[in-house]
Amino acid sequence: GENVEQHPSTLSVQEGDSAVIKCTYSDSASNYFPWYKQELGKRPQLIIDIRSNVGEKKDQRIAVTLNKTAKHFSLHITETQPEDSAVYFCAASSNTGNQFYFGTGTSLTVIP
Amino acid sequence: DTAVSQTPKYLVTQMGNDKSIKCEQNLGHDTMYWYKQDSKKFLKIMFSYNNKELIINETVPNRFSPKSPDKAHLNLHINSLELGDSAVYFCASSQGISNQPQHFGDGTRLSIL
Repeated sequence: GENVEQHPSTLSVQEGDSAVIKCTYSDSASNYFPWYKQELGKRPQLIIDIRSNVGEKKDQRIAVTLNKTAKHFSLHITETQPEDSAVYFCAASSNTGNQFYFGTGTSLTVIP
Repeated sequence: DTAVSQTPKYLVTQMGNDKSIKCEQNLGHDTMYWYKQDSKKFLKIMFSYNNKELIINETVPNRFSPKSPDKAHLNLHINSLELGDSAVYFCASSQGISNQPQHFGDGTRLSIL
């Protein structure tokens, strides 16, 4: 089955700096990679996703990059703000699979 | 309108009791999931139903029994609750079995005394 590893487990940045979270996956059949943000005491919410037919996707201050050859994908947050503080989860899935395989989460703290 | 709603939001009960958590989605999705999130924040898939049929049953004690009366509902019944069952349980739904975004409910925080 698929194995998704996520790093780092915790990340602290100064407000205004960039944050990068990286995930690797093992199954070359995986072709859908969503990212979820979970604020304290709240539900995970989809913030951006990417499919394997593209290498990068941007939405305002958030971007995701995908390297299919190396089997890794990353979340980039620019100009971080205190409200970006949360736990971020990556995930991977495939057409032939029947579930998401979640990473172990990254706790991001943005220091004002 | 809440897309995926779970009840109750909090559940505090004694060890050994039986309890149920209900989930309903109004997104018209055909697939629903139960996840367990422990104190370390890991999101662990427990069950998945597609069109009322069980498609994922991870290594979960048989004290946990899901039931899907229709595509819009997926309930979770837990027998003989144990201390280790304390966690937040999330319901989610998606259109299709894979490769589509999953929408999560607000979670049910289960505390076993």
